[in-house]
Amino acid sequence: DGGITQSPKYLFRKEGQNVTLSCEQNLNHDAMYWYRQDPGQGLRLIYYSQIVNDFQKGDIAEGYSVSREKKESFPLTVTSAQKNPTAFDLCASSWQGDTEAFFGQGTRLTVV
Amino acid sequence: SQQGEEDPQALSIQEGENATMNCSYKTSINNLQWYRQNSGRGLVHLILIRSNEREKHSGRLRVTLDTSKKSSSLLITASRAADTASYFCATDRDNYGQNFVFGPGTRLSVLP
Repeated sequence: DGGITQSPKYLFRKEGQNVTLSCEQNLNHDAMYWYRQDPGQGLRLIYYSQIVNDFQKGDIAEGYSVSREKKESFPLTVTSAQKNPTAFDLCASSWQGDTEAFFGQGTRLTVV
Repeated sequence: SQQGEEDPQALSIQEGENATMNCSYKTSINNLQWYRQNSGRGLVHLILIRSNEREKHSGRLRVTLDTSKKSSSLLITASRAADTASYFCATDRDNYGQNFVFGPGTRLSVLP
């Protein structure tokens, strides 16, 4: 089945700890994105990548880092600098920046 | 930056009724998309409408776009309890359509 897979579904992070969220797609999409959704709010862009080995910061990149070494993978590292206690992080991919996006199921990240 | 703003923030209707949600945006766009999100899940793409289109249909969904008013509407006809979800509009961010900007969403509740 073609699709986009995020893991884990739930993740607990201790203060001062870095964690990495996985995002894999087998849709052969060029573009991949990471969004954060805070409770009752819309999505805000963390990072996006239009092509392998290239990525750009979004609106709320502070405390996050990404890599795009392979077309199908776009992992997100949440560093200790990210102070948000809870978040729902969503990965997405699309053929190009202006076409429909396919979303993963999300990772709920909690600081303990 | 461009942003879609959905209206109303929340909507409750009875099963069988029609539901209308509106989206307004600030600057010119290449396309506008509507997505649905069930609680705690990823987003699912519903419809993409381009700036040179005025109306699109998909099953029980009808989307209109008025570029002169910078607004779009999503109509769900003959609603079902399964339509209960949050609905988001997304506009392309800039002239290059590099990525999407999401509004805060409309929470639709369809009561049986």
